[in-house]
Amino acid sequence: GAGVSQSPSNKVTEKGKDVELRCDPISGHTALYWYRQSLGQGLEFLIYFQGNSAPDKSGLPSDRFSAERTGGSVSTLTIQRTQQEDSAVYLCASSRSAIAPGGSGNTIYFGEGSWLTVV
Amino acid sequence: QKEVEQDPGPLSVPEGAIVSLNCTYSNSAFQYFMWYRQYSRKGPELLMYTYSSGNKEDGRFTAQVDKSSKYISLFIRDSQPSDSATYLCAMTIQGAQKLVFGQGTRLTINP
Repeated sequence: GAGVSQSPSNKVTEKGKDVELRCDPISGHTALYWYRQSLGQGLEFLIYFQGNSAPDKSGLPSDRFSAERTGGSVSTLTIQRTQQEDSAVYLCASSRSAIAPGGSGNTIYFGEGSWLTVV
Repeated sequence: QKEVEQDPGPLSVPEGAIVSLNCTYSNSAFQYFMWYRQYSRKGPELLMYTYSSGNKEDGRFTAQVDKSSKYISLFIRDSQPSDSATYLCAMTIQGAQKLVFGQGTRLTINP
């Protein structure tokens, strides 16, 4: 597609429920990233994929969070047993490569985010 | 202490003013510096990218990096109401796969 697509754009869920957030990166981008943005805060890195593999999962806040990517394209971020502190905007991004992301010729493009509210 | 510090504002200036946005950082290994603009309920979009120290100009925007002081700035000349947004600084080190962001400064340009 023309840009990074995320769904759902908004999600309200009850505490304790599981949620799945989907990201469809820009076609041809091998690197995919998930960030979290809490109200009034900067972006917090969660995880990145190079192809289908995720070499660094250290940014995931707890073992309730998991992510996968299949076919080198679509990624799903799953939050199990949601808590109120999970309420945030979950942003997906992609770039041509995971080497020196954000640098010249390797711009990171963000989606519009999935706005998650846990009540 | 956060790796990247950015005054969250909010900052409100009249149209036409020169705006100065700043970030400080603690990790001297940072080499790539970026400014992102984020409109309300949208994802961040890359505005400026600078490698190492120096200045970079693009239209009304100028990015400055002072590695000796661990300080980066974004200047907006002839500010317009359409510049109203949150501005996030971001940086990364050689070989890293993640960006480290500042908190973001919320800017409003008043007509």
